[in-house]
Amino acid sequence: DQQVKQNSPSLSVQEGRISILNCDYTNSMFDYFLWYKKYPAEGPTFLISISSIKDKNEDGRFTVFLNKSAKHLSLHIVPSQPGDSAVYFCAEIVLLSSGSARQLTFGSGTQLTVLP
Amino acid sequence: NAGVMQNPRHLVRRRGQEARLRCSPMKGHSHVYWYRQLPEEGLKFMVYLQKENIIDESGMPKERFSAEFPKEGPSILRIQQVVRGDSAAYFCASSLTLGDRIDGTNHGYTFGSGTRLTVV
Repeated sequence: DQQVKQNSPSLSVQEGRISILNCDYTNSMFDYFLWYKKYPAEGPTFLISISSIKDKNEDGRFTVFLNKSAKHLSLHIVPSQPGDSAVYFCAEIVLLSSGSARQLTFGSGTQLTVLP
Repeated sequence: NAGVMQNPRHLVRRRGQEARLRCSPMKGHSHVYWYRQLPEEGLKFMVYLQKENIIDESGMPKERFSAEFPKEGPSILRIQQVVRGDSAAYFCASSLTLGDRIDGTNHGYTFGSGTRLTVV
């Protein structure tokens, strides 16, 4: 059973417009959600995070919104740029079974294509 | 380059052979995590290690897979008697602390570029 779901495998947006990437989750006992960006043949790179006690976090062109009642979060990119074209993963931070550290639980990713 | 280094970048093995994937964490990092990404899927946690200790291997397949992080040298993910279903990208991440300093800028994890394993 997937704990973190990204239901849209792909999204195309015109340059300069807003990109909205969505993520749904089932586990309410998380500490943070993180968004990662991944280019082909590279590892994921951290983009932005949001704490479970907040409903919004903004960093430049990137804003993440958290709706705890709907168990939903979204990443907004505005304005979108061609260099933003990548796979975006949302990831939940949970405690490992040992209780001593944290693993990331990833969604399946959304391929964003920003058209010039 | 002070990042997380993984080698080889690409590895081709025949069914039944052994695969060894290496991960050198960032300088000063003592926590290593291995993740696997199957085609069309997200990254799945496999194992978390500290120097000379496996802390949690709840995501590791029960057979053929093992991991170590010796006192000296890189962390090794070892897959014995590989099968086609092992073909995937394997990513390593390292962190300085237990990832508990997570704020808007420091999420605690740095990923390597991955090893793409192809079993033929």
